[in-house]
Amino acid sequence: GAGVSQSPSNKVTEKGKDVELRCDPISGHTALYWYRQSLGQGLEFLIYFQGNSAPDKSGLPSDRFSAERTGGSVSTLTIQRTQQEDSAVYLCASSPRTRGYNEQFFGPGTRLTVL
Amino acid sequence: QKEVEQNSGPLSVPEGAIASLNCTYSDRGSQSFFWYRQYSGKSPELIMFIYSNGDKEDGRFTAQLNKASQYVSLLIRDSQPSDSATYLCAVNFLYNTDKLIFGTGTRLQVFP
Repeated sequence: GAGVSQSPSNKVTEKGKDVELRCDPISGHTALYWYRQSLGQGLEFLIYFQGNSAPDKSGLPSDRFSAERTGGSVSTLTIQRTQQEDSAVYLCASSPRTRGYNEQFFGPGTRLTVL
Repeated sequence: QKEVEQNSGPLSVPEGAIASLNCTYSDRGSQSFFWYRQYSGKSPELIMFIYSNGDKEDGRFTAQLNKASQYVSLLIRDSQPSDSATYLCAVNFLYNTDKLIFGTGTRLQVFP
């Protein structure tokens, strides 16, 4: 079946512009996660959705970052007034959360470059 | 102390050897453990997961879990150059089962 998809795959923007990153999870997966990975670094958790609710936004770096999920499916991560330090690969993962376990499946990521 | 610790490597092994990757975690109550492989420039790919003490085998991969000692390991038998990647350990901590806590990964290099 289809995996997690993300768009765009690459985004180059100018400092100060807003960007929207999209994630389409695996069909039927109730949980959705956003991570950020800077070059050569580990995964940085940003936000988690269960259905359309975001019980854990603890990883959002600043109030310039926001995310929403609609219809229990597609999610959008929005970064306002982008800064150069926002440059990273943004990864989305989804999980079926069946049996209480939490195996996560990642999309290919969006590489964001802020000039 | 980091919540999930891995040696960053690189771990270099010759082709055909067994590669052993280790991970320790801080939450004694953790219930589920995951290994991901990440090729350079790609996203993490789930290799296998383990919930019970002991060994779990899947092809050339074996995950080993020892909850009393709070470590989980991944063995790769008959290592191939195509196994060269960063391997991420992830743990579902009891205090927050909604999230996986990732280690920073071990870089494995398999040389011909």
